[in-house]
Amino acid sequence: GENVEQHPSTLSVQEGDSAVIKCTYSDSASNYFPWYKQELGKGPQLIIDIRSNVGEKKDQRIAVTLNKTAKHFSLHITETQPEDSAVYFCAATSEAGAQKLVFGQGTRLTINP
Amino acid sequence: GAGVSQSPRYKVAKRGQDVALRCDPISGHVSLFWYQQALGQGPEFLTYFQNEAQLDKSGLPSDRFFAERPEGSVSTLKIQRTQQEDSAVYLCASSLVDGLLQPQHFGDGTRLSIL
Repeated sequence: GENVEQHPSTLSVQEGDSAVIKCTYSDSASNYFPWYKQELGKGPQLIIDIRSNVGEKKDQRIAVTLNKTAKHFSLHITETQPEDSAVYFCAATSEAGAQKLVFGQGTRLTINP
Repeated sequence: GAGVSQSPRYKVAKRGQDVALRCDPISGHVSLFWYQQALGQGPEFLTYFQNEAQLDKSGLPSDRFFAERPEGSVSTLKIQRTQQEDSAVYLCASSLVDGLLQPQHFGDGTRLSIL
C-alpha cells in the first residue's frame, strides 16, 4: 500500500520568510495530493491540492510542486505570518485506492514574530 | 450547516463501555470517510461509504469497531467494549462525488478518552 513520508517534523521561521515542507510517496498509482492545515482542537482544513497531470499550483502565498518521477511533492508558503503557525499534513491517494487518504506524519510550523 | 459536523466533541468512557460517534456530512456529499488520529500523528483511514454502501472497511482495527450510514447521509461509528488504545480523535470527512478524486472536507472530530 501507499506510504507517505514528511519532513521536517518541526519548522521554525521568522515572520516574512518562506517555509518549505517536503513529502515523498511510494505508490506510483497515486495521482491526487492534498495539503491540510490543522490548528489545535480543530479538524484538518484543506489549503491546496494538486493532481498528477499538473507540476505546480499556486494560490496567493501558497504553492505546491509535484515531481512524479521522483515521487515527491512540496508545500511552499511565502511571506509567512503568525497565523500560518499550525500543523501541516500532506497526503496522497488514487482512485484505485478508493480515495482513502494516506497522510504524512505532520510538520509543526511555528512563525516567530 | 456549511461544514461536516461531529458529535459529541468530547467523550469520556470507562474501559469496557460501548460508545457511538456521530457524523453529519456536508449536504449532498456522496462519499463519507472515518479516520482515527492518535496524538501527534497524521489521520489514519478507518472506513469509507459511498451513499449507504460501505465499500471499504480495511482500516477498522478490530471487530469491536462498526460503522453504518443507513440512509446515505448521517453516519455513526460504534466502538464496543472500549480499550485504552482506542483513545484518539475520530475524524469524519465527506466529499461531493465519488470516483473523481474530489477534495475531502473534515469535521473537527470527536476526542475519545478511555479511562
